[in-house]
Amino acid sequence: EVQLVESGGGLVQPGGSLRLSCEASGFPLNTNNMNWVRQAPGKGLEWLSYISGGGGTIKYADSVKGRFTISRDIAKNSVYLEMNSLRDEDTAVYYCARGHVHNCGGDCYFDYWGQGILLTVSS
Amino acid sequence: SYELTQPPSVSVSPGQTASIACSGYKLDDKFVSWYQQKPGQSPVLVIYHDNKRPSGIPERFSGSSSRNTATLTISGTQAIDEADYYCQAWDIMTFHVFGTGTRVTVL
Repeated sequence: EVQLVESGGGLVQPGGSLRLSCEASGFPLNTNNMNWVRQAPGKGLEWLSYISGGGGTIKYADSVKGRFTISRDIAKNSVYLEMNSLRDEDTAVYYCARGHVHNCGGDCYFDYWGQGILLTVSS
Repeated sequence: SYELTQPPSVSVSPGQTASIACSGYKLDDKFVSWYQQKPGQSPVLVIYHDNKRPSGIPERFSGSSSRNTATLTISGTQAIDEADYYCQAWDIMTFHVFGTGTRVTVL
């Protein structure tokens, strides 16, 4: 059974940093692409970052490019999101989501989602 | 950047059909997926590749796409279908894009 479990959220001051983790089980990370998606309170879904099944392709939304870094540890079957220079508007529930294929090529969708983890950026 | 637009809300009576539109430039050139999100829960995939249902999703959920609009249809809507629905597509420049979301209310 595929499961994704996020951790590492919490309260951070503006300008601070935090790393989110997503531990995957039920499949090896190198078979599927992985993504981070967030949802601000009362708002819609926003895709943030992508890492391909091989790890060689990484993408970011413009809103987080240069501040957030996606990475993974195959041995721990985990994906991470390193977040720097955090702003009030980064306050959201952050989801880890599995892409249905190894690499996105125009027909990508998210077949499994984690339960989400809350990040609050506030002084 | 690529954008997908949905109506903020759709109301439907139990047993009737709910249709949710998702509009984007040349959307029929892209594959569209749909996600259902109930309050306090994670999104769940209900339609992928425009019109395919994952296993476990009821047959009353269907999808279609034409020109600039994709549509999620819920036939014989039930109270348990009350949720937010998001369309999603992949664009070579913007990468993953979600629609603005539609709240379906079953009256």
